[in-house]
Amino acid sequence: EAGVTQFPSHSVIEKGQTVTLRCDPISGHDNLYWYRRVMGKEIKFLLHFVKESKQDESGMPNNRFLAERTGGTYSTLKVQPAELEDSGVYFCASSQDLRAGEAFFGQGTRLTVV
Amino acid sequence: AQKVTQAQTEISVVEKEDVTLDCVYETRDTTYYLFWYKQPPSGELVFLIRRNSFDEQNEISGRYSWNFQKSTSSFNFTITASQVVDSAVYFCALSEGGYSTLTFGKGTMLLVSP
Repeated sequence: EAGVTQFPSHSVIEKGQTVTLRCDPISGHDNLYWYRRVMGKEIKFLLHFVKESKQDESGMPNNRFLAERTGGTYSTLKVQPAELEDSGVYFCASSQDLRAGEAFFGQGTRLTVV
Repeated sequence: AQKVTQAQTEISVVEKEDVTLDCVYETRDTTYYLFWYKQPPSGELVFLIRRNSFDEQNEISGRYSWNFQKSTSSFNFTITASQVVDSAVYFCALSEGGYSTLTFGKGTMLLVSP
């Protein structure tokens, strides 16, 4: 069974440019999460989808971040325009239900804004 | 609000030594879930264990063991006879009952030297 897949694995962009990160969850997982780890700090929650609906987007830092999950399958996270402080590793995770089991994480996308 | 503290930023040991990674959590909920994840150099977060708040039994899995103590709000992780392959960043995380998101600690980098 394929795990959570994230693309790209690395991205280096200039300040002001746009970047789109993609996450393919494990098939059948309704819950999809985006997290971010800024260098040296904890991994922080960004938002949570249940199928195609945003269940909780309280962790989104500002309106430069836009997440979508078309048809309840894969998800994209767009940063537009990117700022230096957006640099970090963006993780995607999926789960059936955390109360019943674990969240499975992808390998992350390392974003560097220069 | 929930919080997870991993006070040890980095630990260095020599192969075959035992090592304990500390995790202290804060939550107002009586129902919650605790997790440990491992992040090897390849970048992905690998699930190690999930424990619910009503199960204080310690768990052992091979060289890994976990000590959950509600009285001290701690969920410590011990690796016995450490190996070089154990070198990674280890994250402790908390999920409060009724919610599916994870609150992570800052992680502890473990370096095991031959």
